[in-house]
Amino acid sequence: GAGVSQSPRYKVAKRGQDVALRCDPISGHVSLFWYQQALGQGPEFLTYFQNEAQLDKSGLPSDRFFAERPEGSVSTLKIQRTQQEDSAVYLCASSLEGTGAYTEAFFGQGTRLTVV
Amino acid sequence: AQSVSQHNHHVILSEAASLELGCNYSYGGTVNLFWYVQYPGQHLQLLLKYFSGDPLVKGIKGFEAEFIKSKFSFNLRKPSVQWSDTAEYFCAVNAHIGSARQLTFGSGTQLTVLP
Repeated sequence: GAGVSQSPRYKVAKRGQDVALRCDPISGHVSLFWYQQALGQGPEFLTYFQNEAQLDKSGLPSDRFFAERPEGSVSTLKIQRTQQEDSAVYLCASSLEGTGAYTEAFFGQGTRLTVV
Repeated sequence: AQSVSQHNHHVILSEAASLELGCNYSYGGTVNLFWYVQYPGQHLQLLLKYFSGDPLVKGIKGFEAEFIKSKFSFNLRKPSVQWSDTAEYFCAVNAHIGSARQLTFGSGTQLTVLP
């Protein structure tokens, strides 16, 4: 596609509910990233995939957060038993490279999650 | 772990004023440096980037930034701002640590340009 697409754009969840956020990266992009952006803050790294391999999940805040990219394209970020502190914008980014030189990351518009 | 500091949280300027937004990072090794902009209701877009070479880099829409290694700084500048530059600006760093590919962002600077 023309850009990184995320769905839904907005999600309201009751505390304790499970949610799944979807990311469609730019076609052919090897690397995929998830970031969490709290209100008034910059994005914070959650996890990184190279194709289907999750190479870094050091930023996931708890074991309630789980991400997958089973076929090396679309990715899903799942949050189990949501809590109010999970309210944030979740950003997905993709970039062309895998190993080798760093290349630009392109961001989606994000999913705004509100836990009530 | 590396960190990025943006000292100005909110900057208000009149059109045609000059802009400088500060960015400092903490990492002593090799870095890639970026400025992203987020216009209201839109996604993060790359303004400019520094990988190597000339420390003065030029980006889109008349923006430029200077990498000063000794000061661990990468300040963003524009000689004359326009109302359409109203947006949030984020400085970001990719530190060359192993195969790390993620960006570390600053907390952002909201720029408001008054017509």
